[in-house]
Amino acid sequence: QITLKESGPTLVKPTETLTLTCTFSGFSLTTNGVGVGWIRQPPGKALEWLALIYWDDDKHYSPSLKSRVTITKDISKNQAVLTMTNMDPVDTATYYCPRLMVAGTVGSFDYWGQGILVTVSS
Amino acid sequence: DIQMTQSPSSLPASVGDRVTIICRASQSINNYLSWYKQEPGKAPKLLIYAASSLQSGVPSRFSGSGSETDFTLNISGLQPEDFATYYCQQSYRTPWTFGQGTKVDI
Repeated sequence: QITLKESGPTLVKPTETLTLTCTFSGFSLTTNGVGVGWIRQPPGKALEWLALIYWDDDKHYSPSLKSRVTITKDISKNQAVLTMTNMDPVDTATYYCPRLMVAGTVGSFDYWGQGILVTVSS
Repeated sequence: DIQMTQSPSSLPASVGDRVTIICRASQSINNYLSWYKQEPGKAPKLLIYAASSLQSGVPSRFSGSGSETDFTLNISGLQPEDFATYYCQQSYRTPWTFGQGTKVDI
């Protein structure tokens, strides 16, 4: 059974750094074709792709956030970590970590965490 | 960035209806297209990947088609649990981008 769960602070102040951890089970980030992504959704708005890390440690970031976002993985702990610096109220959103499945060459997110609502406010 | 545009944004429907949601990419994405369903307060759920492949466990009333820039999601025989918001997403080139969503409601 594949599960993912996001954890971290639910309230951060402007200018602070946010660190979110995705703890997963049922798969390994050493398996060819597997990855973990971070996606967010501001209240009442659409989904926004933030970052992606592959089994081979290849990483991709949204250009609009690239200077602020870092994604890493800890194989021994079955975790993927998102760090976002200089948080602003516009970063208030539910943050999700889904598993990436690559079928052939096409990637999609087949399992999702429940999400964590992060509010940025002083 | 590749822009994904869905239409309509809102789709009134009734149980039993056949509905079609359109997703257009700003450039060719081959078949690198996925569809997700999101119910209020819940995480998205993968329905279709590679434009037309049905994810395991998803009812066969869902189907996807299209390639290059034009894609459709069809739901035949709408069920009460299908009233939700649907998103398309391209994985052809990073940054991967989502459409703005289509809300199917009563």
